[in-house]
Amino acid sequence: GAGVSQSPSNKVTEKGKDVELRCDPISGHTALYWYRQSLGQGLEFLIYFQGNSAPDKSGLPSDRFSAERTGGSVSTLTIQRTQQEDSAVYLCASSLVWGENTEAFFGQGTRLTVV
Amino acid sequence: GQNIDQPTEMTATEGAIVQINCTYQTSGFNGLFWYQQHAGEAPTFLSYNVLDGLEEKGRFSSFLSRSKGYSYLLLKELQMKDSASYLCAVRSNYQLIWGAGTKLIIKP
Repeated sequence: GAGVSQSPSNKVTEKGKDVELRCDPISGHTALYWYRQSLGQGLEFLIYFQGNSAPDKSGLPSDRFSAERTGGSVSTLTIQRTQQEDSAVYLCASSLVWGENTEAFFGQGTRLTVV
Repeated sequence: GQNIDQPTEMTATEGAIVQINCTYQTSGFNGLFWYQQHAGEAPTFLSYNVLDGLEEKGRFSSFLSRSKGYSYLLLKELQMKDSASYLCAVRSNYQLIWGAGTKLIIKP
């Protein structure tokens, strides 16, 4: 696609429910990143994919968080048994890793509210 | 560990010049990026430096010194729309390491 697409754009869920967030990266981008951003705060790294593998999962806050990427393309971030502290904007970005144009392009994010 | 430092907040006057500094300590270096993020929006790419020196792009310029682990973003002729957070990021071993961002407040 023309840009990074994330869905849903907004999600309100009840505490304890599971949610699944989706990211469609730019076609051909091998690197995919998930970040979390609370209001007025910086980017909190969650996980990085290179192709379908995740060399760095160190940012996942707890075992309630998991992510996968299939076909070197779409990625899903799953949060199980959501808690109120999970409320934030979840941003996905993708990039090339070789060559000159390796800047990351961001999707518009999923705003998650746990009530 | 890997670390990127930027000032938390800066204030400048419309029409003036402001320099936002970024220092980094990373295990690898494959380039440094500056991004702009307006409140409620996703970050957007501004500039990329991989070699030492100054890259100019209109009102915005970015400088890099690899030996000092230092970069700055220079914004000239400030406009009210430049009020935003400015994020510094380093590509280290194919990952992106991000600073916490500098919130720039522009006053008339």
